[in-house]
Amino acid sequence: GAVVSQHPSWVICKSGTSVKIECRSLDFQATTMFWYRQFPKQSLMLMATSNEGSKATYEQGVEKDKFLINHASLTLSTLTVTSAHPEDSSFYICSARQGLAGAGTDTQYFGPGTRLTVL
Amino acid sequence: QKEVEQNSGPLSVPEGAIASLNCTYSDRGSQSFFWYRQYSGKSPELIMFIYSNGDKEDGRFTAQLNKASQYVSLLIRDSQPSDSATYLCAVKVSGTASKLTFGTGTRLQVTL
Repeated sequence: GAVVSQHPSWVICKSGTSVKIECRSLDFQATTMFWYRQFPKQSLMLMATSNEGSKATYEQGVEKDKFLINHASLTLSTLTVTSAHPEDSSFYICSARQGLAGAGTDTQYFGPGTRLTVL
Repeated sequence: QKEVEQNSGPLSVPEGAIASLNCTYSDRGSQSFFWYRQYSGKSPELIMFIYSNGDKEDGRFTAQLNKASQYVSLLIRDSQPSDSATYLCAVKVSGTASKLTFGTGTRLQVTL
């Protein structure tokens, strides 16, 4: 159980184009999903928290107009990198929360990641 | 002071030995603790979680939590070359909407 998928696994695009990444929880419902970015040899950096049916909460320094997040259902969140530039090239990883936050026993399971290269 | 600290390593252990990975955290409000394994070029994979003081065992893995001293550790018994990866310690602080704070990870190398 607790399987999270991401699509695509890798993408190469030209500078100025937009790229959409999908994150799906396959065997559980996730009211909350998270989007991370990881540069080579660095740790995970949380970009935003995606809540089903409401606006995403972005971390400080992350441009919400550039990284559009939509969490339209309990099993799907999407991240769209708008007008991508070479500095946006990175490994984007989503996670989905399983369990109830209030119980304190919820757990995040990660998708396999999407490697974005912007030329 | 970093919120979650780990020694970056590499920690090198021979095959069959016990690998001990340590993590300290600064926020006493932390309530849940997680260990993820990340192979190079891959996403993190959940290894274990622990909520209460003491030890929690799962196969070759044992997580240890000491809230008074604010540290959590992961022991890997009978280490195998396939255990070679970066191990990320993550902490969830209450009232943060389930966000995790990650350490920078410890790179483990299991040698033949």
